[in-house]
This record gives sequence, structure tokens and C-alpha cells, in this order.
Amino acid sequence: GAVVSQHPSWVICKSGTSVKIECRSLDFQATTMFWYRQFPKQSLMLMATSNEGSKATYEQGVEKDKFLINHASLTLSTLTVTSAHPEDSSFYICSARDLTRNQPQHFGDGTRLSIL
Amino acid sequence: KQEVTQIPAALSVPEGENLVLNCSFTDSAIYNLQWFRQDPGKGLTSLLLIQSSQREQTSGRLNASLDKSSGRSTLYIAASQPGDSATYLCAVIVLTGGGNKLTFGTGTQLKVEL
Repeated sequence: GAVVSQHPSWVICKSGTSVKIECRSLDFQATTMFWYRQFPKQSLMLMATSNEGSKATYEQGVEKDKFLINHASLTLSTLTVTSAHPEDSSFYICSARDLTRNQPQHFGDGTRLSIL
Repeated sequence: KQEVTQIPAALSVPEGENLVLNCSFTDSAIYNLQWFRQDPGKGLTSLLLIQSSQREQTSGRLNASLDKSSGRSTLYIAASQPGDSATYLCAVIVLTGGGNKLTFGTGTQLKVEL
């Protein structure tokens, strides 16, 4: 149980393109979802936290207009990297948890984003 | 600001060896601590979660300890196997209004050789 599906797993696109990444909880209700970014040989850094039906809370230094997060349902959150540039190339990982059940976060398999 | 450090950054051992991975954190006011495994280009697999009131957790060949007051945790892997090769991450967990917040360590890249 507690599976989180992330799509796509890998995307390559041109500079200036907007890219949307989906994160779905398959067998539980994700009241809270988290988006992380991981640069090569570095650890995961939390970008933002989103609660279903509310605006996301962004960590310091993360541009909310650059990284648009939508968490409109209890099973789906999306991260849109707007007007992506090469420096946005990274590994993006989502996680989800059901706050009402006091469970730990469950992680997706990540999305490798490469901006040319 | 919480800082989480893992030592060593990389480790290469022969198969069968017992090994210890270290994790230290600067703020002892944590809720839980969790150890993860990450294979190249993949997401995270949770290995062990230790609540702040506990001192250790065991799962198979893995044993994790927590000394909250000194800001340290260790992950012990017994009889290592090539399949254990991966990056191991520790994360400290604090309670926030929006749910638990994880701060990850820098990771230890483990290679177990035949």
C-alpha cells in the first residue's frame, strides 16, 4: 500500500518551455504533498508544501511564480516549472501523506528534468 | 536552522563486511528521524523510522540508533551485500502546521563489492 506515482519520469525540453509534473497518491488520500529538488550529488531540498485545496507554502528562496503548485484533489498535485531554463535542470521528487492518519511521507520515483 | 550531516560521504567495502553510517543534526528538537535508501535516478525507499522517544529500530540486517541529546544517529548494516549498494539518506523530522517537515542529510554513497 501507500504508493505514490510521479509522471513523467524523464523529460527533456527547450529553454523557455513550461513543464508540468504530476504526483498522484494511488491508494490513499494525500492531504499534504511535498515537492523536493535534488541537484547532482546533493541531498533533497524541500521546495514547497501543499495542503489539498489550499495555496502551497514555499520554502525560502523558492520562487512561487516560477514553480506553480496545484493541489486541487486528495490524490493529485502538480508542479509546473514555468519558462524553464538550463539552471532548472534537476531531479524533482514529490511525496505525500495522509495527515489524518499520522502516517509518514511516501515518495514518488522522481522526475528527471533536463532543459536544453 | 537545522543542518544534517552524514559521514562518510562515500564508502566502498567488500561483501560481507559490517558497516556503520553516521548522521548528525544540529537541533535536537526533532519529532522523528528516518533513514532512506536511494538508488541512482530513483526516488526514496524508507528503511527505518525512529521516533524521538525511541533509541533504536531494527529491520532485518539493518539497525538504526538515535541519540537525540547529542544529535546523532547511526545506521548499522550487517553482512553487507552488493545489492546494498545505493545512497543512504537520513532525514530529521519536525512537526509543522502543515505536517511533518523533513530535512535531509547530505547522504552516504555506499558501494559493496564482490
